[in-house]
Amino acid sequence: GEDVEQSLFLSVREGDSSVINCTYTDSSSTYLYWYKQEPGAGLQLLTYIFSNMDMKQDQRLTVLLNKKDKHLSLRIADTQTGDSAIYFCAESIGGYQKVTFGIGRKLQVIP
Amino acid sequence: NAGVTQTPKFQVLKTGQSMTLQCAQDMNHEYMSWYRQDPGMGLRLIHYSVGAGITDQGEVPNGYNVSRSTTEDFPLRLLSAAPSQTSVYFCASQGPAAEETQYFGPGTRLLVL
Repeated sequence: GEDVEQSLFLSVREGDSSVINCTYTDSSSTYLYWYKQEPGAGLQLLTYIFSNMDMKQDQRLTVLLNKKDKHLSLRIADTQTGDSAIYFCAESIGGYQKVTFGIGRKLQVIP
Repeated sequence: NAGVTQTPKFQVLKTGQSMTLQCAQDMNHEYMSWYRQDPGMGLRLIHYSVGAGITDQGEVPNGYNVSRSTTEDFPLRLLSAAPSQTSVYFCASQGPAAEETQYFGPGTRLLVL
């Protein structure tokens, strides 16, 4: 299958901005997603972006999509301790809602 | 709505034992799927279903069987457990449009000795 690449750890101070990056390889993707996983829980969808968009903003979250470089990023403004979690990017690559997930990036927010 | 429920939350098996992981959703979603989550590997799709009576293989189907006799339920069966199947298993369901969120269950942590 196609690969969605993410590196593993990020540590930021409370109140700073966090940027989590993701690289995907399938240019035929339709939707790109960001999910959040808190300890011991399942994944929750944070936001998504359609492949014909460059940017989407949703309160403290900004998603940037660079289709040329197949790069997706999630910026969290004014990061809070409650944002500490693992963040997954994912894409739908065709078929009926088949979704491929990256390996996840752990965000630790330091008070 | 309870959303997506999974049972059990935790299970220990011996190699060769069989078991069924249960998944149910009350949102009338046609699409359901099973993933396994392993350190450093993200979530990998095991099997999925686009409606009652229809299932298909995902990325890592070997060693797992599924069935979908009703819209609500999508059990995952391990016929002969192996240590390589030690993982956290998540069930998810989703409505018909791609932009709709996938709802994940709380997960089943499986340890195979």
